Amino acid sequence: EPEVTQTPSHQVTQMGQEVILRCVPISNHLYFYWYRQILGQKVEFLVSFYNNEISEKSEIFDDQFSVERPDGSNFTLKIRSTKLEDSAMYFCASSGGASDYSRGTQYFGPGTRLTVL
Amino acid sequence: ILNVEQSPQSLHVQEGDSTNFTCSFPSSNFYALHWYRWETAKSPEALFVMTLNGDEKKKGRISATLNTKEGYSYLYIKGSQPEDSATYLCARLQGSSNTGKLIFGQGTTLQVKP
Repeated sequence: EPEVTQTPSHQVTQMGQEVILRCVPISNHLYFYWYRQILGQKVEFLVSFYNNEISEKSEIFDDQFSVERPDGSNFTLKIRSTKLEDSAMYFCASSGGASDYSRGTQYFGPGTRLTVL
Repeated sequence: ILNVEQSPQSLHVQEGDSTNFTCSFPSSNFYALHWYRWETAKSPEALFVMTLNGDEKKKGRISATLNTKEGYSYLYIKGSQPEDSATYLCARLQGSSNTGKLIFGQGTTLQVKP
């Protein structure tokens, strides 16, 4: 069964460093998302991406964040200068789109745990 | 701002017990509600997408109902098994199509003791 994969599973970085989190969505999906969960808090939306551009972004997704689909298979989230408060589990998700049979189900990857020291 | 709430926060039951949890959400401009099952170190697994008032969905021993007028959904597990131990998340879709963002509740963590 197709699945969303994410690498690495755990990333430790120093404050101020750049990190890139990688995701491989399900191959025929058209819509891509990043969410995160800070420990003890709710899973929260960061950004959605369609047709090579951002569809929607949250207030969290400021100029330090960027997303890219560089090669038609990978979907990346870059944090340019990490802060302590960026420590969280980051989830990638993909969906088939408005007319897909799964009624917009978003399929999630296992997450990347980012620890900023 | 959408606020989705789940209760209880955690639940401990014995194997064979049936259980249920609640997801509450604002009922205005409702489009869809998603339920996920999330085991530690694994991907959240999609259980149901519910759209219509009165919807009932079933997957094995797990079922869910939806009331969009009053803004709640119930998830039921019949005859809980240790492998049902997980966090169950509900999320309301925000937007006017099924490609919008999900607004999550805090989850209900279920522990089933053998």
